[in-house]
Amino acid sequence: AQKITQTQPGMFVQEKEAVTLDCTYDTSDQSYGLFWYKQPSSGEMIFLIYQGSYDEQNATEGRYSLNFQKARKSANLVISASQLGDSAMYFCAMSPFSSGYSTLTFGKGTMLLVSP
Amino acid sequence: GAGVSQSPRYKVAKRGQDVALRCDPISGHVSLFWYQQALGQGPEFLTYFQNEAQLDKSGLPSDRFFAERPEGSVSTLKIQRTQQEDSAVYLCASSIGQGASYNSPLHFGNGTRLTVT
Repeated sequence: AQKITQTQPGMFVQEKEAVTLDCTYDTSDQSYGLFWYKQPSSGEMIFLIYQGSYDEQNATEGRYSLNFQKARKSANLVISASQLGDSAMYFCAMSPFSSGYSTLTFGKGTMLLVSP
Repeated sequence: GAGVSQSPRYKVAKRGQDVALRCDPISGHVSLFWYQQALGQGPEFLTYFQNEAQLDKSGLPSDRFFAERPEGSVSTLKIQRTQQEDSAVYLCASSIGQGASYNSPLHFGNGTRLTVT
């Protein structure tokens, strides 16, 4: 079974500052994918960034980067230069090879609030 | 359409009623997923289709839950004899390839908020 742990129920950051959202995972699979999604108050889940378990370099997408530490089973999301529009729930998720990459297991999420 | 479309946006049902939730995936997307999201929680997997084949229904909580995708496009999630614990947001997602990966991320709809009274 897979498990995703997000230990920060809420985070506060000032506009233009960087913020790190924590995610640890547990799996017996050697091959898996890690995802981060953003869920604004509108409810839609928005895909942000992906990291494969065999990728040697940390993934980056614009202001988003994923700090992947495989030995520690950690996949933290770093948002640089926060914007007011970044205020939302953020979910870490994993898709293991054993499910044919067909099942995403999500954490409970972290609520990020960006203040002016 | 440009994105995944779900209807209705909101549904109120009396306990014991049957409900049907519709999902229109992005055109051409092979994979379709249903997730259930309780208040304050992350989404939980319900079921997965690859075209019209339901490859995984391990997340369906009981035999009152049934999903279909008969022509490999539109999908319907049906809940029979609804119970209060079924109250949640039901999210549909689609991906262009098989499953979820870097070149086939899941694209989610806005969800259907089901309230059972």
